[in-house]
Amino acid sequence: DGGITQSPKYLFRKEGQNVTLSCEQNLNHDAMYWYRQDPGQGLRLIYYSQIVNDFQKGDIAEGYSVSREKKESFPLTVTSAQKNPTAFYLCASSIDWQGFHQPQHFGDGTRLSIL
Amino acid sequence: AQSVAQPEDQVNVAEGNPLTVKCTYSVSGNPYLFWYVQYPNRGLQFLLKYITGDNLVKGSYGFEAEFNKSQTSFHLKKPSALVSDSALYFCAVRAYMYRDDKIIFGKGTRLHILP
Repeated sequence: DGGITQSPKYLFRKEGQNVTLSCEQNLNHDAMYWYRQDPGQGLRLIYYSQIVNDFQKGDIAEGYSVSREKKESFPLTVTSAQKNPTAFYLCASSIDWQGFHQPQHFGDGTRLSIL
Repeated sequence: AQSVAQPEDQVNVAEGNPLTVKCTYSVSGNPYLFWYVQYPNRGLQFLLKYITGDNLVKGSYGFEAEFNKSQTSFHLKKPSALVSDSALYFCAVRAYMYRDDKIIFGKGTRLHILP
């Protein structure tokens, strides 16, 4: 079955540490997205990528970085500059660069907590 | 400003009764509207979308939504609720400003179906 795989499911970060969240899709989708979900705040867009080797900042990109070296992979790094990283992180993809017209497919998320 | 609002944090419905989850939006131009559902510790699942055409849109699991342009609303409905419909529901709208094209999610409505 095609889908989006996020790993790990749970992740703990120490102060001053960078951590990387994995997102892999086998749907052959061009566009990929990272969202942050906090209770009562809905989803907020961190970064998105319309095509390989290209990505754009979303609404809350500060303290995060991404790369898109392969079509199927869009890892998110939460850097030590992100002072409040505790949240549920969701990766999504859609068919093509006009992805915001298309429904997005979501992974099952990574829950990041601070030690 | 482009926005989407879900005025109810929680909706309680008895099993077998009709349900409505409310959504209103504010965008420039024609809206593209979506409904997603999220079960605990899972990603979002696409239910239905409105792009153009009939104001009543049918989606997955017996859900439908009614687009009302004059009231700028896109309420989610189901004629007979099931306990398994209990979940968090998100309304989303495509917002386009200048070269920034993205989806804005509402804060979510938690639906409780009472046996």
